[in-house]
Amino acid sequence: DAKTTQPNSMESNEEEPVHLPCNHSTISGTDYIHWYRQLPSQGPEYVIHGLTSNVNNRMASLAIAEDRKSSTLILHRATLRDAAVYYCIPNAGGTSYGKLTFGQGTILTVHP
Amino acid sequence: EAQVTQNPRYLITVTGKKLTVTCSQNMNHEYMSWYRQDPGLGLRQIYYSMNVEVTDKGDVPEGYKVSRKEKRNFPLILESPSPNQTSLYFCASSFYPLQGTGEQYFGPGTRLTVT
Repeated sequence: DAKTTQPNSMESNEEEPVHLPCNHSTISGTDYIHWYRQLPSQGPEYVIHGLTSNVNNRMASLAIAEDRKSSTLILHRATLRDAAVYYCIPNAGGTSYGKLTFGQGTILTVHP
Repeated sequence: EAQVTQNPRYLITVTGKKLTVTCSQNMNHEYMSWYRQDPGLGLRQIYYSMNVEVTDKGDVPEGYKVSRKEKRNFPLILESPSPNQTSLYFCASSFYPLQGTGEQYFGPGTRLTVT
């Protein structure tokens, strides 16, 4: 599995954009980059995923570096509900197609 | 509503008393798996199943069993629970393979305490 490096914690104010970085320098060419988040007392929740191109959905945007060694999850306007642990997960291929290897993630605190 | 359900949500039991945690999904997903989450260790995969009657070990399978007789259900069995299995357990499901579809759905969690 590709190793990831994320900041332990980040802080933001409500309604401001948040950029959550992730380094995954050992990612293979076929690994998708997934982002999940875990709100307090809940199971992990899918946020977004991508392979090479930047991606947008209703929750967030994902910016992937051209060399794919890093990516950034962008929350355009943080809300209090976005306070969670955010995990960046390169998805290994082969027999581990479904396996998600969770690291320690980034704890995002959102201030009112 | 698409969902993964787990039962029970909370369970306190004693060492050695067999227990089963049920997991069910209503999305016709092929892939199901179990994770445990412990402070400082993150989420670790216990077992997974790529389809009916197909199961395999994850990273921490010792002390656990699973079965996949129906596509929608994937129970986790602890034949002889021990205190080191006290943890928060999550069931998850997705289409297989995951990569293209991206989204894995997680249940709400089962908090197990073994005394």
